[in-house]
Amino acid sequence: EDKVVQSPLSLVVHEGDTVTLNCSYEVTNFRSLLWYKQEKKAPTFLFMLTSSGIEKKSGRLSSILDKKELFSILNITATQTGDSAVYLCAVLSSNTGKLIFGQGTTLQVKP
Amino acid sequence: GAGVSQSPSNKVTEKGKDVELRCDPISGHTALYWYRQSLGQGLEFLIYFQGNSAPDKSGLPSDRFSAERTGGSVSTLTIQRTQQEDSAVYLCASSLDSPGRSPLHFGNGTRLTVT
Repeated sequence: EDKVVQSPLSLVVHEGDTVTLNCSYEVTNFRSLLWYKQEKKAPTFLFMLTSSGIEKKSGRLSSILDKKELFSILNITATQTGDSAVYLCAVLSSNTGKLIFGQGTTLQVKP
Repeated sequence: GAGVSQSPSNKVTEKGKDVELRCDPISGHTALYWYRQSLGQGLEFLIYFQGNSAPDKSGLPSDRFSAERTGGSVSTLTIQRTQQEDSAVYLCASSLDSPGRSPLHFGNGTRLTVT
């Protein structure tokens, strides 16, 4: 059965800290991995990763994929209170076409 | 509109009643997903439509749940004889192409409360 596991489930840091969120997966015929940020309502897209070792970067956020070890990390540097959210990882299997989400990591950034 | 639109945004219903949740995807998007999110949980896959292909219904939790997508655009998720455990936020998402080529764009969800 396809599975996506995120860790930690929750995290509390102070502004300025750097955080690393983890996502490991087991899927048949991996196609891509996506990261989303969910604040109050709709998850918003952050990154899509399909190739190993190529870092995607957007401002203070970056992510990389390791297809050999079957995981991805999402890094946030110099965290701000506005980074407080649930971060969701999802993996697409080309077999099924469906996108499987992990449980999410709840990040709280304190002033 | 520019984004995925869901209605209603909130729905309170009595146990045993039927409900219909609507999703208007972004125009031109061929893929449409329904997910369910319970409090503090991740997104649980329900159903996936891709173009004119038969939908992947493998995530529907029971035969009380059904969904259709008319004309390749608007989708309706129907829950019959609602139960309290159906209470959750139901999220719809669409993508321009098959997932993996373009990211999903989510609506704001419908919060369903079954009393």
